[in-house]
Amino acid sequence: AQSVTQLGSHVSVSEGALVLLRCNYSSSVPPYLFWYVQYPNQGLQLLLKYTTGATLVKGINGFEAEFKKSETSFHLTKPSAHMSDAAEYFCAVSDRDGGSQGNLIFGKGTKLSVKP
Amino acid sequence: DSGVTQTPKHLITATGQRVTLRCSPRSGDLSVYWYQQSLDQGLQFLIQYYNGEERAKGNILERFSAQQFPDLHSELNLSSLELGDSALYFCASSARDRGFTEAFFGQGTRLTVV
Repeated sequence: AQSVTQLGSHVSVSEGALVLLRCNYSSSVPPYLFWYVQYPNQGLQLLLKYTTGATLVKGINGFEAEFKKSETSFHLTKPSAHMSDAAEYFCAVSDRDGGSQGNLIFGKGTKLSVKP
Repeated sequence: DSGVTQTPKHLITATGQRVTLRCSPRSGDLSVYWYQQSLDQGLQFLIQYYNGEERAKGNILERFSAQQFPDLHSELNLSSLELGDSALYFCASSARDRGFTEAFFGQGTRLTVV
């Protein structure tokens, strides 16, 4: 079964510093890949997704992620952190085979703190 | 605003009781998914309905059931509630299946079982 590993349950960065949140998936067949953000007491908002094509994907709020098949990774980055980026970030995958499209398998989440 | 509406936002109930959570998908979306978010289990897929029919099942307990109605809204029924059922329950919807589409999430229903 598919699994998603997010390294680091908590990441703390200074405002203006690089944000790097790590995500690895387990499937030998590259799945669809997503990053969602959850602000306190809110639902999940899609940041970006990779389905096919260019492996560097740009999302909202200045975030981007790169799909690396050889490393089975989909790490999320942002060049310069802002205080408003403080939230919990979830990496998720979905199978391509159609049987469970939209059935997202989530990582455990990484809570990002941004220090002034 | 994702366009997915969940009610109620908060629910407090006693052990052994039964509750119903409601979800209205985005206009035009045929698929509805239910997820449970808890501190120890994280975000877990429970069940998916597509145009009124059950499409996929995840880690859903037998005490839980769901349905999708002709107007496409969905209800998640939780019965014989236990303390461990306390969690945030999310509904998500996605468009007609023409290839992959992403899911849009509601704000969730926070269930507290006391």
